[in-house]
Amino acid sequence: EAEVAQSPRYKITEKSQAVAFWCDPISGHATLYWYRQILGQGPELLVQFQDESVVDDSQLPKDRFSAERLKGVDSTLKIQPAELGDSAMYLCASRLGGHLDTEAFFGQGTRLTVV
Amino acid sequence: GEDVEQSLFLSVREGDSSVINCTYTDSSSTYLYWYKQEPGAGLQLLTYIFSNMDMKQDQRLTVLLNKKDKHLSLRIADTQTGDSAIYFCADSSGGSYIPTFGRGTSLIVHP
Repeated sequence: EAEVAQSPRYKITEKSQAVAFWCDPISGHATLYWYRQILGQGPELLVQFQDESVVDDSQLPKDRFSAERLKGVDSTLKIQPAELGDSAMYLCASRLGGHLDTEAFFGQGTRLTVV
Repeated sequence: GEDVEQSLFLSVREGDSSVINCTYTDSSSTYLYWYKQEPGAGLQLLTYIFSNMDMKQDQRLTVLLNKKDKHLSLRIADTQTGDSAIYFCADSSGGSYIPTFGRGTSLIVHP
C-alpha cells in the first residue's frame, strides 16, 4: 500500500545545531504539506508545496526554518539553529491534488527532541 | 482564539457509544474532517463531510454537521478498546483543502 515515508523517525539534537527531516510523498501526489505538532496540541501547517513551488509558507519561521522540494517529489525541512521550543513531531502529508481530491495522507512523523 | 475547538478528554465503557464534539469558526470551510492518531503514529483520516451535508454514516461512524451553529460531531457506535486514540477535528481553512486542526480529544475506552 502506498504511504508517505518520513525519516528519521526520531532525532535528538543539541540546541544551536542544524537538523533536517526528509519526506517522500505518495507517488504522483502533487501537493505536499509539512506540519508541526507540539505535544498536546493539534498539527499546525508550516508550509505547502504544489509540485516544486511553495504555495503557503506564512507560518514557517523563516529566520531558522527552510523547506525545499527541488524536483517536485521528495522534500526536506531544515532547522538551523535548533531551539528548545522546536521539540515537536514534524508531520509530512501529501495529496493527489485536483478539485475532487479531498484526502491528505500523513506520514508517521519525525519526533524531534532538542536538548 | 482557536479556529477549531474540541474537548480534551472523553472516557467511555467498552460497547457504549462515544460522541466527540467540535466547533469551528471558518464558515467557508468546504470540507470537515475527522482524523485519528494512535500513540507515536501519524494521522489517519477516518471520515470527512461536505459542508452541504448534515449527516454521513460509515459503518460504526456517524458524522453530524450543524452548519448554522458550526458544530461537528463524531459518534462511534459499539466503542472498542482499539478505538482508544486521539481524535482530531479539522476544517478546510479558507475554503481550501488544507486541514486546520483542533487540539484533539483523547478517547479512553475502558472495559
